[in-house]
Amino acid sequence: DVKVTQSSRYLVKRTGEKVFLECVQDMDHENMFWYRQDPGLGLRLIYFSYDVKMKEKGDIPEGYSVSREKKERFSLILESASTNQTSMYLCASSLTGNTDTQYFGPGTRLTVL
Amino acid sequence: AQTVTQSQPEMSVQEAETVTLSCTYDTSESDYYLFWYKQPPSRQMILVIRQEAYKQQNATENRFSVNFQKAAKSFSLKISDSQLGDAAMYFCAYRSASSNYQLIWGAGTKLIIKP
Repeated sequence: DVKVTQSSRYLVKRTGEKVFLECVQDMDHENMFWYRQDPGLGLRLIYFSYDVKMKEKGDIPEGYSVSREKKERFSLILESASTNQTSMYLCASSLTGNTDTQYFGPGTRLTVL
Repeated sequence: AQTVTQSQPEMSVQEAETVTLSCTYDTSESDYYLFWYKQPPSRQMILVIRQEAYKQQNATENRFSVNFQKAAKSFSLKISDSQLGDAAMYFCAYRSASSNYQLIWGAGTKLIIKP
C-alpha cells in the first residue's frame, strides 16, 4: 500500500514564525502536491512538484514556498506565518502516467496565533 | 475557467438505503475526467470513482456508481446499501485532458449515515 505521511497532525505557531511542513511518500512517486483545505472551499493547490528540484505554482502560492531535494520528500514552507494561513494542509503524491489517483497524507491542521 | 459545484453541504441517509450526491461543473472543453474522492473523519482522502468524459457508460465500483450527464454537465454519485463506514466528506473533482495533474475541486458534501 502507498503510504504518505506528514510530519505533524496538529501544529500551533505564532504570527511571523517560519513554519515547515514535511511530507514523505514511500512509493517512488514522481509527483507530489501540497493542498490547502478550508471549509466551503474544497481543496486548493498551493504547489506541485513533478521531479526532484522541480516545482510549479498552483492556484494559491502566495506566502508559501516548497522544497524537494529528494524524490520521497516534499516540504512546504511558510516563511512568515500569518493568521490567514490557519488551515488544514494536505500532501498528496501520484505516479506520472496515473496522475488521477492521488494518494493523500492524513493532513496537518495548522493554527497560527 | 473550470469550476466544480457541490450544492449540498450536508446529506444524511438511513443505513442500508441509497443516497445520491450532486455535482455540476462548468467547462468549455470536451475531453476531461471527473472524480469522486472520499475523506473519512480523521482519515486519509481516497479515490472512490473515476469517469472519462468520452465514455458514455457510467462508471461503477461495487456499491458506488455515477450518473454522468455530459450535456447537462452533471456528475452525481450514487451510494447503494449505505454503510456506517460511508460517513465522510465527499469531494467531486475535474481534470482537463490537457492538464496531467491539475484537479479542480468542489467544496465537498458531508454524508451522515443514520444507524
